[in-house]
Amino acid sequence: GAVVSQHPSRVICKSGTSVKIECRSLDFQATTMFWYRQFPKKSLMLMATSNEGSKATYEQGVEKDKFLINHASLTLSTLTVTSAHPEDSSFYICSARGPLVGQDTQYFGPGTRLTVL
Amino acid sequence: AQSVTQPDIHITVSEGASLELRCNYSYGATPYLFWYVQSPGQGLQLLLKYFSGDTLVQGIKGFEAEFKRSQSSFNLRKPSVHWSDAAEYFCAVGDGNKLVFGAGTILRVKS
Repeated sequence: GAVVSQHPSRVICKSGTSVKIECRSLDFQATTMFWYRQFPKKSLMLMATSNEGSKATYEQGVEKDKFLINHASLTLSTLTVTSAHPEDSSFYICSARGPLVGQDTQYFGPGTRLTVL
Repeated sequence: AQSVTQPDIHITVSEGASLELRCNYSYGATPYLFWYVQSPGQGLQLLLKYFSGDTLVQGIKGFEAEFKRSQSSFNLRKPSVHWSDAAEYFCAVGDGNKLVFGAGTILRVKS
């Protein structure tokens, strides 16, 4: 139980284009989803928290117009990197939690490797 | 502010040997504590968590961790390491909402 998927697993795009990453909770309803960014050999940095049906809350220093987050349903959240640039290349990981799998525990997706050329 | 320190960046142990990964945290109240494991290019898998109660917590894959309030520590242990345990391990502290992660410890297992 408590499985989270992400799609795509890796994506390569040209500078200036937009990329959408999907995060799905497969077997539970995720009232809250989180988006993290992980730099090589570094820990995870929280980018934003999204509650279903509400606007996302962004961490300090994260550009909300660049990293668009939508959480329109209890099983799906999307992160859109707009006008991507090489410095946006990173490993993006989502997590989800819900009342039936432990509201205080986050379950993580497998991550998406974004490379911007 | 919450913070997590994992003092060991790399640890190498022989297969079959015991393992202890250190984690110290800074938090004002009783924290929620977690250990996650990450294989290369993968997401994080929850090994175990502590919210309250018995300070010795059992997790998956034979791991356990002990919460010591006096030392602000939550060290991860395994009595006998397997080659498949080679991965990066993250300790995290939460307040029921956000998680703050340590820098991670890379475990290498030598045969």
